[in-house]
Amino acid sequence: NAGVTQTPKFQVLKTGQSMTLQCAQDMNHEYMSWYRQDPGMGLRLIHYSVGAGITDQGEVPNGYNVSRSTTEDFPLRLLSAAPSQTSVYFCASSYRPGTGGRRGTEAFFGQGTRLTVV
Amino acid sequence: AQTVTQSQPEMSVQEAETVTLSCTYDTSESDYYLFWYKQPPSRQMILVIRQEAYKQQNATENRFSVNFQKAAKSFSLKISDSQLGDAAMYFCTLTQGGSEKLVFGKGTKLTVNP
Repeated sequence: NAGVTQTPKFQVLKTGQSMTLQCAQDMNHEYMSWYRQDPGMGLRLIHYSVGAGITDQGEVPNGYNVSRSTTEDFPLRLLSAAPSQTSVYFCASSYRPGTGGRRGTEAFFGQGTRLTVV
Repeated sequence: AQTVTQSQPEMSVQEAETVTLSCTYDTSESDYYLFWYKQPPSRQMILVIRQEAYKQQNATENRFSVNFQKAAKSFSLKISDSQLGDAAMYFCTLTQGGSEKLVFGKGTKLTVNP
């Protein structure tokens, strides 16, 4: 059981380059999300999705795009990388509240991507 | 808006001793859930313990237990018989019952001394 798979684990980008962080889950979770982790800041929500075709912004969405064409995949796109986007990125998935009576369920996280923008 | 505050950026404990990590939170909702996640040096986020706000009984998971004080909006984590493998960053986390958006505290780095 793979859980949540994130790729790549490490990436160095030059300012202005674009890239896509991949995230896939095999648990049939409706809810998927992207967080960034910065020193002393905890994790902050970038974008999230409650199902295929539905996405919404979180706390820090600027500079990032997402799409959700399938239940399994939720890629995060950096359109024009900036040094301020240097961070560790985590993808997470969980059941959507209400489905099957589930509420407040555990979120499963990928192993993270350490991104450096120079 | 929901907020989570961890006032201890770093803590240390001797192996086999007990340590308590503090967390306070703020939410206007009555239906919410609280979690402690552990992040070891491997970077993997691991759920340690979960508490439903409507339950008065404090959650326990083996050596991990919480002191949930709803009126005070406090949710501390107690680790008993600390082990070297407990060394990690610990995040206190809050979510509303109707949403899976997680609000994280800034984390407490726990060091376990042999």
